[in-house]
Amino acid sequence: EAGVAQSPRYKIIEKRQSVAFWCNPISGHATLYWYQQILGQGPKLLIQFQNNGVVDDSQLPKDRFSAERLKGVDSTLKIQPAKLEDSAVYLCASSRGGLAGGNEQFFGPGTRLTVL
Amino acid sequence: LAKTTQPISMDSYEGQEVNITCSHNNIATNDYITWYQQFPSQGPRFIIQGYKTKVTNEVASLFIPADRKSSTLSLPRVSLSDTAVYYCLVGAQYNFNKFYFGSGTKLNVKP
Repeated sequence: EAGVAQSPRYKIIEKRQSVAFWCNPISGHATLYWYQQILGQGPKLLIQFQNNGVVDDSQLPKDRFSAERLKGVDSTLKIQPAKLEDSAVYLCASSRGGLAGGNEQFFGPGTRLTVL
Repeated sequence: LAKTTQPISMDSYEGQEVNITCSHNNIATNDYITWYQQFPSQGPRFIIQGYKTKVTNEVASLFIPADRKSSTLSLPRVSLSDTAVYYCLVGAQYNFNKFYFGSGTKLNVKP
């Protein structure tokens, strides 16, 4: 089966600019996650979707970050405006989800963002 | 939410068995323990998951004592390609699969 797709792979922007990342999860996976991984740290969960509803966005800086998952499939994560400290790899993951388990997360290759 | 504690780094040599222990003192009754592996410039990859006692698959074993306050990932006969960061996660399957990554253990396998 095809894996989790993300684009772009790399992005360089100036501070205060806007940027958007796209994720296409594995077909049929109900749960979608966006993570921020700063160099040398573990992935930090930004937002978790179950189908097209938000399950957890407690660590999403909502003043500048937004995410949506229209129709419960693809998702976009936006940063507006970007700050220097947003430089990181943004990882998208998906899992089958549901009460029966299926919580193994499959990760995409990530988008490396550099804010200058 | 159960917090996990792991060693920051470990060194090993090729062919040795490596055991990485994770502490999760406030694990809840419904929580599972999951381990992921991450290579540089890649997303994490699922290794193994368990609830109690011992779980084994083709790449690793997971040992969980009766009190479930810790767990040990065992990698048999490591090779250079096992050099990676290993993350221990604790979370509930039923609670919309909420699992959180800690800082991980950097395993360095030497020739």
